[in-house]
Amino acid sequence: QVTLRESGPALVKPTQTLTLTCTFSGFSLSTSGMCVSWIRQPPGKALEWLARIDWDDDKYYSTSLKTRLTISKDTSKNQVVLTMTNMDPVDTATYYCARIPNYGSGSYSGAFDYWGQGTLVTVSS
Amino acid sequence: DIVMTQTPLSSPVTLGQPASISCRSSQSLVHSDGNTYLSWLQQRPGQPPRLLIYKISNRFSGVPDRFSGSGAGTDFTLKISRVEAEDVGVYYCMQATQFPPTFGGGTKVEIK
Repeated sequence: QVTLRESGPALVKPTQTLTLTCTFSGFSLSTSGMCVSWIRQPPGKALEWLARIDWDDDKYYSTSLKTRLTISKDTSKNQVVLTMTNMDPVDTATYYCARIPNYGSGSYSGAFDYWGQGTLVTVSS
Repeated sequence: DIVMTQTPLSSPVTLGQPASISCRSSQSLVHSDGNTYLSWLQQRPGQPPRLLIYKISNRFSGVPDRFSGSGAGTDFTLKISRVEAEDVGVYYCMQATQFPPTFGGGTKVEIK
């Protein structure tokens, strides 16, 4: 059974750094083709992809946010960590982690098949 | 970035009647490997998104067969053959053909 769960602070102040952790089970990020992404959703708005880390430690970032984002993984703990610097009220959103399996293989779907429940982060002084 | 445009923004539907959502991409979603990485997600109120359809028309595990996807190139459609109460929510299309992955703005399905 594949599960993902996001954790982190519910409230951060402007200019602070946000650190979020995605803890997952039911798969391994050391398996060839496995990728985990972070996606966010401001209240009442659409989804926005933020970053991705792959089984081989390749990392990819949103063009508009890449100077503020860092993604990393701890395979032994089954965790993916996202940090976002210089937080602003416009960054208030629910942050999700989700996986895409089988990248680069014939069975690659190009779709996020499992998502965490999300964690709401509010940026306010 | 590829822009995904969904219509309508809102779709009031009578229970048991069909619903249809359109998604148009600003560029062709045909990948160099020949696949089209267009997927559909459902987000029920207060819930995370859930994968319904991948690669245009493939239903994900456990998705009822009243959901179907079609289309090609830049124009895609999600159809619900007979809307049930549990189908209320917002539906998103997403492309993963070109980096970065991008989502449509969402279509809200509600019961009349």
